[in-house]
Amino acid sequence: EAEVAQSPRYKITEKSQAVAFWCDPISGHATLYWYRQILGQGPELLVQFQDESVVDDSQLPKDRFSAERLKGVDSTLKIQPAELGDSAMYLCASSRRTVEQYFGPGTRLTVT
Amino acid sequence: AQSVTQPDIHITVSEGASLELRCNYSYGATPYLFWYVQSPGQGLQLLLKYFSGDTLVQGIKGFEAEFKRSQSSFNLRKPSVHWSDAAEYFCAVGSQGGYGNKLVFGAGTILRVKS
Repeated sequence: EAEVAQSPRYKITEKSQAVAFWCDPISGHATLYWYRQILGQGPELLVQFQDESVVDDSQLPKDRFSAERLKGVDSTLKIQPAELGDSAMYLCASSRRTVEQYFGPGTRLTVT
Repeated sequence: AQSVTQPDIHITVSEGASLELRCNYSYGATPYLFWYVQSPGQGLQLLLKYFSGDTLVQGIKGFEAEFKRSQSSFNLRKPSVHWSDAAEYFCAVGSQGGYGNKLVFGAGTILRVKS
């Protein structure tokens, strides 16, 4: 069964440093999502891609966060500079158009 | 705007007992509803979904959920809980946009199973 791949699984970084996460969606899934899940809360959408285009980034803190999906397949989410409040699980999901989302294992970020 | 409320932060049930996790949603149109399960440190796994049609939906691992429009609810049930069901459960509502559905999640319910 195909799965969404994410790396790294765990990342510890110091505040003010840059950090990047990678996601490879299920083959054929045109829509890709990045969510942030703070401990004790449900995931919140940061950015949604359709192919290589951003269709929703209304909740993305654009002063420090950026996301790209250059060839419409895998995607990178970057934080620069990282802040203590960015400590969270970062989840990637993918879907075919209009169908349910499948999630990757996530990247657990700790900012010290 | 969509919202989801899961009133129970923690629930503890005995192994073999029945389970019901509550979910209430707010959405102006016919919702797309989902239940996901998350084991510690892991991603989310889809248990079941409701798009339309029969209001009682069956999912994986013996779970089912019933959509009740009049109560704006989508409660998750299982007749007999196994120790391996201990995890966090999230209810989500989806809006059908032009490019796939955007999910809004509840805060989750942590299920503990006692032997």
